Amino acid sequence: AQRVTQPEKLLSVFKGAPVELKCNYSYSGSPELFWYVQYSRQRLQLLLRHISRESIKGFTADLNKGETSFHLKKPFAQEEDSAMYYCALSGGGYNKLIFGAGTRLAVHP
Amino acid sequence: DTAVSQTPKYLVTQMGNDKSIKCEQNLGHDTMYWYKQDSKKFLKIMFSYNNKELIINETVPNRFSPKSPDKAHLNLHINSLELGDSAVYFCASSPTTGGPYEQYFGPGTRLTVT
Repeated sequence: AQRVTQPEKLLSVFKGAPVELKCNYSYSGSPELFWYVQYSRQRLQLLLRHISRESIKGFTADLNKGETSFHLKKPFAQEEDSAMYYCALSGGGYNKLIFGAGTRLAVHP
Repeated sequence: DTAVSQTPKYLVTQMGNDKSIKCEQNLGHDTMYWYKQDSKKFLKIMFSYNNKELIINETVPNRFSPKSPDKAHLNLHINSLELGDSAVYFCASSPTTGGPYEQYFGPGTRLTVT
């Protein structure tokens, strides 16, 4: 079964601290993985995808097929990073996205 | 010049009523989606259309009926509304069914059933 697990509902850190938002997946084929972000009162938008291997707003994520993980990391959190973060898996054709439950990141001054 | 728009933004109605939510995209995309976000913020796909053809139909009560008059529009009609239908409904679009392509989301429609 295709599944995405984000074990933390809330991650609370202070500004300047490192951040790691965890994401594990279950998928029998070759997964395509994404991180989407929803800032307060804004629409959901793509943060990054694993195939592009890029860093967006200082965030990176590495696909670890052995551990079936796609954790999102940032070395120094900023207050403007506070948002809801969703890990998503595209699989089964038709560009269908399967989302994790989301993690709310709260960065305190 | 909004890419994906939804109307209305808020919808408050009583149980048993029938309501519709409209979605339009001006990105020239072929594929559109409906997602439901429940009170715990969990997002789940409901339907997807590619060039007016239904391609994804998840386990959704048949009180929910999507309609795509053209590839730029995907509407969601809900019959006999129930309390459990209260949620935020998001429309999204992507270039086509292949990919994986980024999906572009609308602002959401918050439906409250009383």
